This record gives sequence, C-alpha cells and structure tokens, in this order.
Amino acid sequence: DIQMSQSPSSLSASVGDRVTITCRASQTIGRYLIWYQQKPGKAPKLLMHDASSLQSGVPSRFSGSGSGTDFTLTISSLQPDDFATYYCQQSYSVPVTFGQGTKVEI
Amino acid sequence: QLVESGGGLVKPGGSLRLSCAASGFGFSGYSLNWVRQAPGKGLEWVSSISTTSSLIYYADSVRGRFTISRDNAKNSLYLEMNFLRAEDTAVYYCVRQRNWGDPFDIWGQGTVVTVSS
Repeated sequence: DIQMSQSPSSLSASVGDRVTITCRASQTIGRYLIWYQQKPGKAPKLLMHDASSLQSGVPSRFSGSGSGTDFTLTISSLQPDDFATYYCQQSYSVPVTFGQGTKVEI
Repeated sequence: QLVESGGGLVKPGGSLRLSCAASGFGFSGYSLNWVRQAPGKGLEWVSSISTTSSLIYYADSVRGRFTISRDNAKNSLYLEMNFLRAEDTAVYYCVRQRNWGDPFDIWGQGTVVTVSS
C-alpha cells in the first residue's frame, strides 16, 4: 500500500497569512494527488485534483504543486472560511490512501 | 446528491446494511465508494464498485466481512457489514467517482455506525 504523510499535523495561523501544507507519498504517484477540505461535522469537500487542478468553485487563493512523491497545498491569503482540516489522497493505485490530515487553526 | 441511511448501534459480531440513495446525476455512469471516519480520526477508504459491478475492491480491514453492491435501476449503493468490530465504529460516507483514479467529487452527509456492547 502507498503511505501518505502530511506535515504539519496542525498549524496556527492568522487571517491573511500564507499557509503551506506538505504531503509525501511512500512511492511515486505521478500527479495522482488530490486535496480535500473538511470542516467539523461535515463531509470532505474536493479542493484540487491532479496535484494542481482547482476544482470548479474553489477560490483561486488555493493552489497545488508537486509530482512524484512530494506535493504541497498553498493558501495564499488565509480567510476565516479556510479554518478546517485538509487531507491529501493518492488515487494512483488501490487501496486509495489518505494522509492523516492537517488542522489549520486560528 | 447522495443520501446515506441505515447506520445505528450494533453489538460486536452483529450486522448492519447501509444504503445510499443517489439523485441528480447519471448514477449508472459513475463508480462509487464507501469511505469511513472513526471519531476524531482521519479518512479511511473502505470499498469501491465500478459502474457495472464488474470491478470491486475492499480495504484489507474489511475484506471478507463487508460486501459492496449497487442497483443501477434504483440509483442505490449498499454496504452489507457483518462480524462488526468496535474498530468499525465510524461515520460512513457514500462517495462518487467518475472513473478509477479520478477524485471523489460528491460526498454524502454520512451515516453513523456504532459498534458497542
């Protein structure tokens, strides 16, 4: 199975900050990397796929990069609505696996 | 949208059948998945089924105990869960996927399964 590792596990930030979350795969996954946002008590929401393709309706302050084993999700200017937990996921092979999550707190 | 049902409290060793009703899209043209989230924990993929049910996959943690199925005529997805364990306690999400390798783009609201004596 491909293991996904996110860092940090949590971070504290302020509105307007630039935030970067890292996701590392245990083996190469090309660009089969997906990012989700989850708020408490809610289902995850798709943010980005193919490492850097923004899902329709997602604000442009979100961006993604990387390929192979190392990927990043960047929020250019953190907004109040962005405080949530973020998960990466590889869709390169079965079983699909997720990172452990990164909680972005105020 | 996707709407799950069937969750509840069950004793260890018991069984439960989850259902997911789909609406608003061409159900038969999408692969479907179950993803679960234990209390306070991250996301764990459970099982996938292709459009015609010809391809089915399970996580090692549930293989042999859970069975995924779908009824395209009823726009419904199911998860039969047997020999339930405490570690199966989680919110279970029904999730849509266009093709293998594509992102999970539509999620249901989830149904809670609690395994406890």
